[in-house]
Amino acid sequence: NAGVTQTPKFRVLKTGQSMTLLCAQDMNHEYMYWYRQDPGMGLRLIHYSVGEGTTAKGEVPDGYNVSRLKKQNFLLGLESAAPSQTSVYFCASRGGTGWIGELFFGEGSRLTVL
Amino acid sequence: AQSVSQHNHHVILSEAASLELGCNYSYGGTVNLFWYVQYPGQHLQLLLKYFSGDPLVKGIKGFEAEFIKSKFSFNLRKPSVQWSDTAEYFCAVNYLGSSNTGKLIFGQGTTLQVKP
Repeated sequence: NAGVTQTPKFRVLKTGQSMTLLCAQDMNHEYMYWYRQDPGMGLRLIHYSVGEGTTAKGEVPDGYNVSRLKKQNFLLGLESAAPSQTSVYFCASRGGTGWIGELFFGEGSRLTVL
Repeated sequence: AQSVSQHNHHVILSEAASLELGCNYSYGGTVNLFWYVQYPGQHLQLLLKYFSGDPLVKGIKGFEAEFIKSKFSFNLRKPSVQWSDTAEYFCAVNYLGSSNTGKLIFGQGTTLQVKP
């Protein structure tokens, strides 16, 4: 199994450009999450999904949109990139029943906004 | 607000030294607790987890953590570190309850540097 796969791994954008990060998981997990990692701030939750067709805001949702049209995919979009969105983005998925279950992470996508 | 605090931001140890990284969370209800490790250039990997039962949890690579409910703490320990333990360590908490959807709240991370 591939687990959680993120594409692209690296991207450089100019301010105002748009892009989409794709997260795909092959573990049939219901829950999926997008985090951003910044030095000294740990991981902060951007958006998450509790199942196909659902999305919800996390701690830092501004400037991002997400979609979960298929159970295995969770897309993170930046409509108008800003330098403050320079970060490493991690997608994660979770199985388990009820509230219990560990997160499985992708390898990260490093985004630089100039 | 629900939060997770890691007290040590940067720790430098020599090989064979003992390690203890602190982690405290803010909420007094039922929690699931995790420690993740991120080796340089890699993604996060689960080191160990606590869901219920024995509060002393053993993980991979000789790591262990103790859940002390009265102190809202989940400190990570290793008796003797190796150079290969150089990495960033994250404590994470899943606050359980009707308004929770299983999302993890992470601490700020601790960078561990082990000198050979």
